[in-house]
Amino acid sequence: GQSLEQPSEVTAVEGAIVQINCTYQTSGFYGLSWYQQHDGGAPTFLSYNALDGLEETGRFSSFLSRSDSYGYLLLQELQMKDSASYFCAVYNQGGKLIFGQGTELSVKP
Amino acid sequence: DVKVTQSSRYLVKRTGEKVFLECVQDMDHENMFWYRQDPGLGLRLIYFSYDVKMKEKGDIPEGYSVSREKKERFSLILESASTNQTSMYLCASSRDRGETQYFGPGTRLLVL
Repeated sequence: GQSLEQPSEVTAVEGAIVQINCTYQTSGFYGLSWYQQHDGGAPTFLSYNALDGLEETGRFSSFLSRSDSYGYLLLQELQMKDSASYFCAVYNQGGKLIFGQGTELSVKP
Repeated sequence: DVKVTQSSRYLVKRTGEKVFLECVQDMDHENMFWYRQDPGLGLRLIYFSYDVKMKEKGDIPEGYSVSREKKERFSLILESASTNQTSMYLCASSRDRGETQYFGPGTRLLVL
């Protein structure tokens, strides 16, 4: 079967760095995506990793290790507006995204 | 910017009613998707479509059908709504491949 695991909740303070981990089990793996969803809003695309290594986009970075079936999203210089749910999603050969259950990030002042 | 719109933000229907949820995208994307989102379960794929008049079942298609008569429009149909279909329904579209999807604002459906 296919499954993804990520922590349900993470709390951090403004200005800090936080890492949200994601482990997955799937067949026909192509890559790992990350989405952000603010309360009441639509999910928005953050990043996609098809190859091993770190991809950086501003304050956000995403990492993938295909051999470990593991990835993470790294958020630096946390701001209050980063409080949201973050979903990892596996993109597989079926052309589908399989989403994790989401991690609710709370940023405290 | 890609824009994905959904016909309603909130909808209240009665058990047994036929429900239509409409989704329109304005960026000429080939691929369109319907998900439902429930607390603690993440987003689950109901149906998706790679082209006009084509459809593929997702992970939870039971109780749903879809229609894609035009490239920009993808409709989700609940043939006979049931209370366990109360949920947030999200539509998405993507160009070429599906790893980067653009979501609409969602329709929160309550079935009484």
